[in-house]
Amino acid sequence: GAGVSQSPSNKVTEKGKDVELRCDPISGHTALYWYRQRLGQGLEFLIYFQGNSAPDKSGLPSDRFSAERTGESVSTLTIQRTQQEDSAVYLCASSLLTGSYNSPLHFGNGTRLTVT
Amino acid sequence: SQQGEEDPQALSIQEGENATMNCSYKTSINNLQWYRQNSGRGLVHLILIRSNEREKHSGRLRVTLDTSKKSSSLLITASRAADTASYCCATVKTSGSRLTFGEGTQLTVNP
Repeated sequence: GAGVSQSPSNKVTEKGKDVELRCDPISGHTALYWYRQRLGQGLEFLIYFQGNSAPDKSGLPSDRFSAERTGESVSTLTIQRTQQEDSAVYLCASSLLTGSYNSPLHFGNGTRLTVT
Repeated sequence: SQQGEEDPQALSIQEGENATMNCSYKTSINNLQWYRQNSGRGLVHLILIRSNEREKHSGRLRVTLDTSKKSSSLLITASRAADTASYCCATVKTSGSRLTFGEGTQLTVNP
């Protein structure tokens, strides 16, 4: 079946512009994560959605970052007034939680964001 | 501080040799997962080991978990050039649901 889909795959934007990144999770997956990965570094947690519960936004680095998810479908990550340090690969993942957090994550191929 | 730190940062071996990568973490966990990442893009889940398990196998992969030492190891046997990738561990704390990743070990298997 279809995996996690992210768009665009690459985005080049000018400093100060807003960008919107999209993630289509696997159908039926209740949990959705956004991570950021800078060049040569590990994954940095941004935000986590689980069903209709309040999202865990504790990883968002500043108020320029926001994310939304409608139900158990598409999610968008928005970065306002982009800065050069926002340049990174933004990865989305979804999982089918069983309530015991023992479900693996399925990742998309990411959006490579370059802020010039 | 980082929850999930891999050791070594980089490992280079010859095809056919075994590769061992280690992961240490700091807090009590619900489970530990190993992922593989090619070329800085999406990660692929390899294996999950629960906190009450000590060892798990999947094909050429063997994972161990020592909760008393807060460490895990990933062994890849009879390595192939196609195993070249970054391998990282990720943990789920018992107090939360967030999956936290380490920075990974870059494995290079030379043909």
